[in-house]
Amino acid sequence: KAGVTQTPRYLIKTRGQQVTLSCSPISGHRSVSWYQQTPGQGLQFLFEYFSETQRNKGNFPGRFSGRQFSNSRSEMNVSTLELGDSALYLCASSLPGTTTGELFFGEGSRLTVL
Amino acid sequence: AQSVSQHNHHVILSEAASLELGCNYSYGGTVNLFWYVQYPGQHLQLLLKYFSGDPLVKGIKGFEAEFIKSKFSFNLRKPPVQWSDTAEYFCAVNIDTGRRALTFGSGTRLQVQP
Repeated sequence: KAGVTQTPRYLIKTRGQQVTLSCSPISGHRSVSWYQQTPGQGLQFLFEYFSETQRNKGNFPGRFSGRQFSNSRSEMNVSTLELGDSALYLCASSLPGTTTGELFFGEGSRLTVL
Repeated sequence: AQSVSQHNHHVILSEAASLELGCNYSYGGTVNLFWYVQYPGQHLQLLLKYFSGDPLVKGIKGFEAEFIKSKFSFNLRKPPVQWSDTAEYFCAVNIDTGRRALTFGSGTRLQVQP
C-alpha cells in the first residue's frame, strides 16, 4: 500500500515568488493535513481538509492557502515567499471516522527561499 | 492555546540503558496524546497513542508511555534502548476530537551509542 506522496521533494525559490506543493494521500484516506517544520518553530499545523472543505486552520498568514480535490489529493500554495518560509512542509493523511490524530505523514517537500 | 513541552532536547544513551523522555502539555480538558518518531532520513511515524482507558499504553518496537492526568504528562519509556532507536521523538496533543490538528512538542533528539 503506497504511503503519502509529496511532490516536489526539494525546491528552491526566491523571495516574492510563489510555490505550490502537492500531496497524494494514502488510498482511501479523505482527510489531509499540512504542517510546517522548521528548526526554530518545530512542527506547526497549517490546515486540514476533508471532503474538499477546509476544516481547520492554524495561525499562519493568508499567504498560505490550500485546497483539496475530489480525489482527496491536496495542494498548498505560498504566495509572496519570504526567507522565513524556508522549511520542510509535511502532508499527513488519515482515514475517515478513525480516532482523531492517527496521521500518516509523507516525507515532505523541502522549500528553500533565497 | 494548548502547548506541549519536551524538556529534553538532546539525549545521549548507551545501548541497553533505560530511556525516559518527558512530555508535558497545558490544557485542562480532554486530550488525545501521541508520540511520533522520525528516524534519520525517514518520515514521521506514529509510535503510540492514548485516547482513554488504561493510562499505560504500549506502542511499536517496545516503547510505552504513561499518561498521568494530575501531572499533565505523557512520558515515553523504553528499557532497554538499542542503537536503532536513534531518532527524533515528538510528543503531540490533540484537543479537538472532531479534527486532526496536532500541537507538537519541540522534539527530543535521541542518540544511542553502541
